This record gives sequence, structure tokens and C-alpha cells, in this order.
Amino acid sequence: QVTLKESGPALVKPTETLTLTCTVSGFSLNSIRMGVSWIRQPPGKALEWLAHIFSNDEISSSPFLKSRLSISKGTSKSQVVLSLTNVHPVDSGTYFCARTTRMHDILTGGYHSYDVDFWGPGTTVTVSS
Amino acid sequence: QSALTQPPSASGTPGQRVSISCSGGSSNIGSQTVNWFQQLPGMAPRLLIYNNNDRPSGVPDRFTGSKSGTSASLAISGLQSDDEANYYCATWDDSLNIMLFGGGTKLTVL
Repeated sequence: QVTLKESGPALVKPTETLTLTCTVSGFSLNSIRMGVSWIRQPPGKALEWLAHIFSNDEISSSPFLKSRLSISKGTSKSQVVLSLTNVHPVDSGTYFCARTTRMHDILTGGYHSYDVDFWGPGTTVTVSS
Repeated sequence: QSALTQPPSASGTPGQRVSISCSGGSSNIGSQTVNWFQQLPGMAPRLLIYNNNDRPSGVPDRFTGSKSGTSASLAISGLQSDDEANYYCATWDDSLNIMLFGGGTKLTVL
């Protein structure tokens, strides 16, 4: 059974760094096809993809947040950590981690068919002094 | 930030069929597969459709996805009251190297 769960502070002060952990079970972060994405949702607004990391430590992240965002695997083999520096009130919202799978094209060496198939319940973060 | 365009709202009566569109471009929908998600109030999104038109186990066949060129659609037939939710499309963008989500469509069952 695939599960993901987000953890981290519920309240962060402006200019501080937000660090969130996603703990996964039921699949391996070492699997070549599998990775973890972070996605957030401000209150009443749409989903916003932030970043993902795959088994080969390949990382992609939103260009809108790139300078403030980092994603990495945790010390535990079943954890992925997201850090967002210099947070502002607009960074408030629910943060989700989700399993992401993709297919490898042997001919081109590229990837395709990205699927975000299992989601954690989300963790709500408020940025306020 | 949404580079995928969805109508902000849709509606239908119980039993009806409704369709939600998702418009993108050649570097995203035009060259990658599309996911559709259902998000009930206060809940995490749930994958409804992957690979443009495949359903994960447990998703009723009332939900169907399709793709043509740079647009995709989600159709819901036999509309039920508990289908009332927000629906999002998503896909990878080859040029930007990011995952894109649509702005979401709020479905109301009248």
C-alpha cells in the first residue's frame, strides 16, 4: 500500500526558512521510475507544482521559486525534504507531497508520461509574524 | 502561473454528462500525457485519469479522458451529487521542464 505523509511546522515567521518532510512507504525511492513531487495550494486557489526528485537524484523545480527552493532526499531512505527560504505570507497554504512516476524512452534517453498518482493528506502552513 | 487553461466553472444536473476542457501547447499537452485530478473540499487531490484516458483501479468508468492535439478533456457521465468538486488537469512541459497544472474547474451539481 502506497502512502505519503507530510510533516513540518504549521506556523513560520516571515523571512524564515520552511522545511517540510515527506515520509513515504509502499514504494522505493530507489526505483528508477519513481520520484516525489511537492505541490502546494494557497487557500481557495489552484494547485501549484513546486519541484520533484527522482531516484537518480534528478531534480526539477519551479523557475518562479528556484532561488528559494531546494529538494533533497532525507537521511532516511524513505524521506524527501523540501526547503523554502525567505518565506512570505503568500507562501501560506497546504503543501502536498505526491508520488510521481515516469517512463524512460530508451531511444531518446528522455522521459515521458509523468503521472502523479498517490498524494499525502497535506500539511497546512501559515506564514505570519 | 497556469499555462494550462481550464474553464473556472461547470455545472450539470444529476444524470447528465458534463465535459471539462484543458488547453495547452505543443511542449506540454501536445507532446506529453495528461493527468486529471478530483479534489473534494478539504481533501487531497485524487488521480482520476492518467496517460490521457486510463483510470486507476477504483475510479468509476463514468469518468473518461481524451486528448486531441494540444487540448484534453474530462467527461463525467451519469452525474452524481458527490461529483461536486474541483477538477484539475496536469502534464509535463518539455520546454520548461516543469509540471503544469490547470487553474481548476469547480463542478456544481444542480
